[in-house]
Amino acid sequence: EAGVAQSPRYKIIEKRQSVAFWCNPISGHATLYWYQQILGQGPKLLIQFQNNGVVDDSQLPKDRFSAERLKGVDSTLKIQPAKLEDSAVYLCASSFRTGSGGANVLTFGAGSRLTVL
Amino acid sequence: EDQVTQSPEALRLQEGESSSLNCSYTVSGLRGLFWYRQDPGKGPEFLFTLYSAGEEKEKERLKATLTKKESFLHITAPKPEDSATYLCAVVNYGGSQGNLIFGKGTKLSVKP
Repeated sequence: EAGVAQSPRYKIIEKRQSVAFWCNPISGHATLYWYQQILGQGPKLLIQFQNNGVVDDSQLPKDRFSAERLKGVDSTLKIQPAKLEDSAVYLCASSFRTGSGGANVLTFGAGSRLTVL
Repeated sequence: EDQVTQSPEALRLQEGESSSLNCSYTVSGLRGLFWYRQDPGKGPEFLFTLYSAGEEKEKERLKATLTKKESFLHITAPKPEDSATYLCAVVNYGGSQGNLIFGKGTKLSVKP
């Protein structure tokens, strides 16, 4: 099966500019996630969608970050205005299991690397 | 606060030299513990999920074990292609099922 697709792979912007990242999850996966991975750190969840709805956005800096998942498939993560500390890899992931009890197994995309100058 | 600590930060092995990576965690109710492998320029790749103390899982040269406070990833007779960063993550009952709390990872290098 095709994996999680992300674009662009690399983006360099000046601080205070805006940027958008796109993600296409694995077909049939109802749950989609955006994670931020700063160099030398483990990924950190920014937002989780189930179909069109937001499940968890408690760690999303809402003053500058926004995300949407229209029609329950593709998703876009936007940063406006960008700060130097936003330099990171933005990973999109998706999962099939959304039921109660166990933990979801996430399949990650290759990521979008953002450099803010 | 839920926390995951991995050690060592980096590990260099000779091909065939077995070793273990450690993941210690503090979490308010463990829903699951994950091991992922991450190659440079790629996203994390799922290896194992462990749910309860005493559980073990194996895949090729890798074996993951779980206790109430830590998990080990044992690598038996590693090969150069096992070189990667290994990430440990936990999910707790208080958060969403996809909210993986990751450690910083252990960077493994296997020399031929």
